Amino acid sequence: GAVVSQHPSRVICKSGTSVKIECRSLDFQATTMFWYRQFPKQSLMLMATSNEGSKATYEQGVEKDKFLINHASLTLSTLTVTSAHPEDSSFYICSAPGGGIDEQYFGPGTRLTVT
Amino acid sequence: KQEVTQIPAALSVPEGENLVLNCSFTDSAIYNLQWFRQDPGKGLTSLLLIQSSQREQTSGRLNASLDKSSGRSTLYIAASQPGDSATYLCAVSLGAAGNKLTFGGGTRVLVKP
Repeated sequence: GAVVSQHPSRVICKSGTSVKIECRSLDFQATTMFWYRQFPKQSLMLMATSNEGSKATYEQGVEKDKFLINHASLTLSTLTVTSAHPEDSSFYICSAPGGGIDEQYFGPGTRLTVT
Repeated sequence: KQEVTQIPAALSVPEGENLVLNCSFTDSAIYNLQWFRQDPGKGLTSLLLIQSSQREQTSGRLNASLDKSSGRSTLYIAASQPGDSATYLCAVSLGAAGNKLTFGGGTRVLVKP
């Protein structure tokens, strides 16, 4: 099946710094990728849709200037959390529709802790 | 706006019992519904995908049904094992593969040996 990877798996950063998270489709191309956020004991909430070659589409309430998304190629999308604050600490997961079928394939997630 | 609800939020059963997990959604005009498994601190593993035209899907001990008109799906896990302990999430898509998923809150399952 299709494989999606994320890097890093865990990151700890200081308040005010920026953190970049990568999402890669390893064996298929993805013109669209999705970024979700999951707080402890809660479900996944969509943050934004990453579109290759064009601007990302953000969900209501998500600050586009704080969560920068770049879909530089058909296999890579990046999420940069700028000027991170402790309330940004969360589990960030990306997904991509896999290879012509309707399933969504998810990355293993990135645990961000802002101190 | 599509809303997805999962009941119960948590479930504890002895090993060997069958599990029944429920998912309901408010907008019946879905494209497909997908069930996922999530282990603590990990990503999601896709279990079953049901297209809107299908009534059920089966994979091993797992069976998922879909009643689109009533906005419901049920995941059955037969003869539960301790290794089935995880959080199970259902998600619906209103469009084709390029469309986003709306998730339910999940059901945390504990299978006691």
